[in-house]
Amino acid sequence: DIQMTQSPSTLSASVGDRVTITCRASQSLSSWLAWYQQKPGKAPKLLIYKASSLESGVPSRFSGSGSGTEFTLTISSLQPDDFATYYCQQYNSYLNTFGQGTKLEIK
Amino acid sequence: EVQLVQSGAEVKKPGESLKISCKGSGYTFTNYWIGWVRQMPGKGLEWMGGIYPGDSDIRYSPSFQGQVTISADKSISTAYLLWSSLKASDTAKYYCARHQDSGTYFGAFDIWGQGTMVTVSS
Repeated sequence: DIQMTQSPSTLSASVGDRVTITCRASQSLSSWLAWYQQKPGKAPKLLIYKASSLESGVPSRFSGSGSGTEFTLTISSLQPDDFATYYCQQYNSYLNTFGQGTKLEIK
Repeated sequence: EVQLVQSGAEVKKPGESLKISCKGSGYTFTNYWIGWVRQMPGKGLEWMGGIYPGDSDIRYSPSFQGQVTISADKSISTAYLLWSSLKASDTAKYYCARHQDSGTYFGAFDIWGQGTMVTVSS
C-alpha cells in the first residue's frame, strides 16, 4: 500500500493568513493526488485534483502543487469558511489511500 | 444535477446483517466507478473498495476484503455495501463517492453521497 503522511495534524491560523499543508507519499504518485475539505457532519468536498487542478466552483485562493512524493495545498488568504479538516488522497492505483487529515483551527 | 443519494441511518445489533445503498442520478451510472469510504467517529477517511457498475468489476482494500461485499444494480443506478455479520467496530459513517473520470478509477472523488451512519450496539 502507498502510505500518505500529512503535516501538520493541526494548524492554528487567523483570517487573512496564508497557510500550507503538506502531504508526502511513500512512493511516487506522478500527479495522482487530490485534496478535500470536510466540515463536521458533512461529506468531503473536492478542492484539487491531479495535484494542481482546481475543481470547478472552488475559490482561487486554494491551490495545489507538487509531483512524485511531495505535495502541498496552499490557501492564500484564509476566510472564515475555510476552517475545516483537509485530507489528501492518492489514486495512483485502484488502492486509494487518504492522509490522516489536517484540522485547520481559528487562532 | 449530478448526485448520489444514500439510504438513511441504521441502528443494528452485533451479528445482524445490513445492506446500505447509494443511488446515482443526473449522469450515466454505468460509466463511472463508485467507491465506498468509511469514517469512524472522530477519525479520518478510509477507502474500502469500489465498483464499476458497467461490468461489476469490483476492487477491495485488503483491510476490508472479506469484511464487506460491494455490489451494484445498474438497472436502478444503485450501488450497495453489505455486511453479513456486523460488529461493534463497524460503527461509522459510510460514504459513497464517484470517481470523476469516465471508465477509470484513476480519478478523484468529485461527487459524494451525504453519508449513512451505521451504529452497531447491543
